[in-house]
Amino acid sequence: SQQGEEDPQALSIQEGENATMNCSYKTSINNLQWYRQNSGRGLVHLILIRSNEREKHSGRLRVTLDTSKKSSSLLITASRAADTASYFCATSSGGSNYKLTFGKGTLLTVNP
Amino acid sequence: NAGVMQNPRHLVRRRGQEARLRCSPMKGHSHVYWYRQLPEEGLKFMVYLQKENIIDESGMPKERFSAEFPKEGPSILRIQQVVRGDSAAYFCASSPPRLAGPAYNEQFFGPGTRLTVL
Repeated sequence: SQQGEEDPQALSIQEGENATMNCSYKTSINNLQWYRQNSGRGLVHLILIRSNEREKHSGRLRVTLDTSKKSSSLLITASRAADTASYFCATSSGGSNYKLTFGKGTLLTVNP
Repeated sequence: NAGVMQNPRHLVRRRGQEARLRCSPMKGHSHVYWYRQLPEEGLKFMVYLQKENIIDESGMPKERFSAEFPKEGPSILRIQQVVRGDSAAYFCASSPPRLAGPAYNEQFFGPGTRLTVL
């Protein structure tokens, strides 16, 4: 398995519902980030959480980090059709703070 | 302030040809990173460059792939004698001069170049 694996692989919800995506990793990390990628486009940085933080909020996003379980979750509240995208977690660890390791992503579909 | 620019956005090559992918970082950014995304996969780190220096190329295939970031002009990822397995999306990211210590500099991603090898 690779560092940074998201689940579920795909998630389909109705507009207005909350969406929760999970990410697990294997080695100790410096920080964990979540990115969004719309179909055929580049990545947009959503939020970064450091290894000494447990929870972080940004607008409708809430990220948690449990270093004892080596896992993180991304919650999107009150989802909108425009939230439809793939979501990736990325970790950096050790002295290579710049080297991001991405999971395969969760494809979120928000139906209007 | 324009974002990270990559060109071309789409590139089609026949097996054995060369592919040259260009990346212009954001203004004021002196660090460039290249990642490759295979279909249905996450991004994989390839190389980290500063102006005129390769800092970490641990993710680059040993043969046919090279990268540069000259003093003037964009960063170039060059793939010689392409094969079908090179078909992927190649993303470039940039960041400003790094902060001292373990602090992290956010990487800003370009829209990617989608390479198709026939």
